[in-house]
Amino acid sequence: DIQMTQSPSSLSASVGDRVTITCRASQSISSYLNWYQQKPGKAPKLLIYAASSLQSGVPSRFSGSGSGTDFTLTISSLQPEDFATYYCQQSYSTLLFTFGPGTKVDIK
Amino acid sequence: EVQLVESGGGLVKPGGSLRLSCAASGFTFSSYSMNWVRQAPGKGLEWVSSISSSSSYIYYADSVKGRFTISRDNAKNSLYLQMNSLRAEDTAVYYCARDINWNFSRWFDPWGQGTLVTVSS
Repeated sequence: DIQMTQSPSSLSASVGDRVTITCRASQSISSYLNWYQQKPGKAPKLLIYAASSLQSGVPSRFSGSGSGTDFTLTISSLQPEDFATYYCQQSYSTLLFTFGPGTKVDIK
Repeated sequence: EVQLVESGGGLVKPGGSLRLSCAASGFTFSSYSMNWVRQAPGKGLEWVSSISSSSSYIYYADSVKGRFTISRDNAKNSLYLQMNSLRAEDTAVYYCARDINWNFSRWFDPWGQGTLVTVSS
């Protein structure tokens, strides 16, 4: 099974900060990596698919990069509505989709 | 508007059964694979099961294999999850999510609002 890890598990940041979250796969997954945002009590929302493609309607301050085993989600200038938990998901093995453990972004 | 609405959650005793439903609207349901994903209280996301558009391909996480059954009724634009032999560790919010497949990449969008399943005596 492909294992996903994320770092950090949580971070505190201020509005306007540049934030980077890392996701690592236990084996190469090419670019089959997605990012989701989840706010408390809400369903996850797709931000980035195929490692670097921005979902329609998602602000351009969000970007994704990486391939193989190492991926990053970057928020160029953190906004108040961006405080949430972020999950990566591999879709290389579609017999068993795997999510990362999540990164919680809260207010410093 | 593409929409997914789950129902059927509730409180059930260990060993009991429950059937979840997900009603789809705003898109051609029969053209998409669908998934169930769960989230235990205060925990992360766990993929549970997926079903292809024509029900030809069905997959389960090891944690639910042999106990849960995913199915769909394309005529009713509905997805189901039959959950048997429920355990305390199955307590979670269960989400249905549409599976988008493009150029060998796959992702989940959108997700329903979720339905809470609580397994407790």
